[in-house]
Amino acid sequence: VLTQSPATLSLSPGERAALSCRASQSVSRYLAWYQQKPGQAPRLVIYDATNRATGIPARFSGSGSGTDFTLTISSLEPEDFAVYYCLQRTKWPLTFGGGTKVGIK
Amino acid sequence: EVQLVESGGGLVQPGGSLRLSCAASGFTFSTYNMNWVRQAPGKGLEWISFIDTGSGGIYYADSVKGRFAISRDNAKNSLYLQMNSLRDDDTAVYFCARSSTSIGVDYWGQGTLVTVSS
Repeated sequence: VLTQSPATLSLSPGERAALSCRASQSVSRYLAWYQQKPGQAPRLVIYDATNRATGIPARFSGSGSGTDFTLTISSLEPEDFAVYYCLQRTKWPLTFGGGTKVGIK
Repeated sequence: EVQLVESGGGLVQPGGSLRLSCAASGFTFSTYNMNWVRQAPGKGLEWISFIDTGSGGIYYADSVKGRFAISRDNAKNSLYLQMNSLRDDDTAVYFCARSSTSIGVDYWGQGTLVTVSS
């Protein structure tokens, strides 16, 4: 089970966002983060805990291993306001966290 | 450019069947594993099925095991999901998504809506 916190984050553009994903058992480094905007498909942001996907700006960074992971957005841009999901691929079934909505304050 | 285009969604009665398709282009389909992921209205993401490149490795979420069947046709660059015994709680947008052993799930289609209702 993956637990994301907080469920909602209200921040202003330019602020720093830190999103948490906690696993009930170790998933090693095999955790990814996805961004989803309304009406759109999810977009891969970070894979294997720390690797930015192709085309993802450097303001996005991932950290953690084992059971505790963090997605950090160093300075929020208007296009970053979205829902973020974590996904583990260590064992079947693949499981997603419940999501964190990053909203505009 | 990687493109995944789902089709086959629609309105179906409880207990009915539907077959979803996903047409892939812009990459060598036969060398990538594939997945189906769904999202109920207003809810989060739920992974439901995986198939490896040669169709030898197949996995399902417990919620669909025994009712859904994933398959692929590498010659047609296509992924399928046969959905039987559909229930109200299968109502969702269904996404196909590419994955690899090195990165995991990376590209997603735009999804197709399945509505199960009488």
